[in-house]
Amino acid sequence: AQSVTQLDSHVSVSEGTPVLLRCNYSSSYSPSLFWYVQHPNKGLQLLLKYTSAATLVKGINGFEAEFKKSETSFHLTKPSAHMSDAAEYFCVVSDLWSGNQFYFGTGTSLTVIP
Amino acid sequence: GAVVSQHPSWVICKSGTSVKIECRSLDFQATTMFWYRQFPKQSLMLMATSNEGSKATYEQGVEKDKFLINHASLTLSTLTVTSAHPEDSSFYICSARDINFLAGPYEQYFGPGTRLTVT
Repeated sequence: AQSVTQLDSHVSVSEGTPVLLRCNYSSSYSPSLFWYVQHPNKGLQLLLKYTSAATLVKGINGFEAEFKKSETSFHLTKPSAHMSDAAEYFCVVSDLWSGNQFYFGTGTSLTVIP
Repeated sequence: GAVVSQHPSWVICKSGTSVKIECRSLDFQATTMFWYRQFPKQSLMLMATSNEGSKATYEQGVEKDKFLINHASLTLSTLTVTSAHPEDSSFYICSARDINFLAGPYEQYFGPGTRLTVT
């Protein structure tokens, strides 16, 4: 069965310091993995996606994530946090076995301290 | 490209009334659209998968007679909350999958959401 575990429900960083949001997945097939960001009362915006190409994926706003099959992880990182990064982040897994249905993690709330 | 809109963005209705939410893919065609529900501080829960021209597939525990879904065209799906009650108050988000294979059959494009408050 497909599932996603976001290891931290809340992360707090100082502005200008690195961001690490952790995600582990379970998939029966070659997965596609996504990170989405959601600002308050807004819809979801795609940050980046992995779809069996390069394992290091670069996304928008300086975010990147690395697909590590051996660790079943897809952690999201950013070298330097900005105040505008404060939001809710969702890791999502999808695969052909599940008909490409999206399975969402429980989300990580990122706070950026000035 | 790949823009999905929802209308209305927020709605307040009285208990017992019905509310219709529209989801449109503006610059692509979508044979499949999805409806999600999100409670405050929680993740998205898939309610149903909507396929153009056929009946929607509902997730376990979702009442199909209460949440009516219609996907009459390749660019429009509607969710009608019938006989709404305060417990139906939530943030409803739709997404659409592009039928263009080159765009990736696995990607979903999300709408901005509709905030429903039932008084």
